[in-house]
Amino acid sequence: GAGVSQSPSNKVTEKGKDVELRCDPISGHTALYWYRQSLGQGLEFLIYFQGNSAPDKSGLPSDRFSAERTGGSVSTLTIQRTQQEDSAVYLCASSPTSGGEGNTQYFGPGTRLTVL
Amino acid sequence: AQKITQTQPGMFVQEKEAVTLDCTYDTSDPSYGLFWYKQPSSGEMIFLIYQGSYDQQNATEGRYSLNFQKARKSANLVISASQLGDSAMYFCAMSPFGSASKIIFGSGTRLSIRP
Repeated sequence: GAGVSQSPSNKVTEKGKDVELRCDPISGHTALYWYRQSLGQGLEFLIYFQGNSAPDKSGLPSDRFSAERTGGSVSTLTIQRTQQEDSAVYLCASSPTSGGEGNTQYFGPGTRLTVL
Repeated sequence: AQKITQTQPGMFVQEKEAVTLDCTYDTSDPSYGLFWYKQPSSGEMIFLIYQGSYDQQNATEGRYSLNFQKARKSANLVISASQLGDSAMYFCAMSPFGSASKIIFGSGTRLSIRP
């Protein structure tokens, strides 16, 4: 079946502009996650959704970052007034159920964001 | 707080040899899951193997096995008969066993296979 998809694959924007990143999880997966990976670094957790609610927003770096999920499916990560330090690859993942091996997260290909 | 430590930033291994990637963790959760992911140069994160803290046996998936030592809080990944295509970054990760939760990732180990 189809994996996690993300769009756009690449986004170049100017400092101060807003950007929206989209994630389509694997069909039927209840949980959805956003991470950020800077060049040569590990993954930084941003936020996760269980259904349409976000129990854990602790990783959002500032109030310029927000995310929503509708219909228990597609999610959008919005970055307002982008800064150069926001440049990174934004990875989305989904997991089939909660708990144990059901928490295994399957990742999309990522969106590479470059802020000039 | 949860923490994952990968002490090998880079490793070089001869093709067809076995390789062990180290991972230690720290958590106060009574039950948890441990994961290994592979990230080739193309950037995608590929799930390799899962081990539950309650599992009595070490997990295996093809050429991958997880050497789980709960008392030592270690979850090393063993790749048997390494191949050139195994060259990639490898991340160890952990999450609590309960409801859906973020995964905490280690800093990764870059594995390079020599022909």
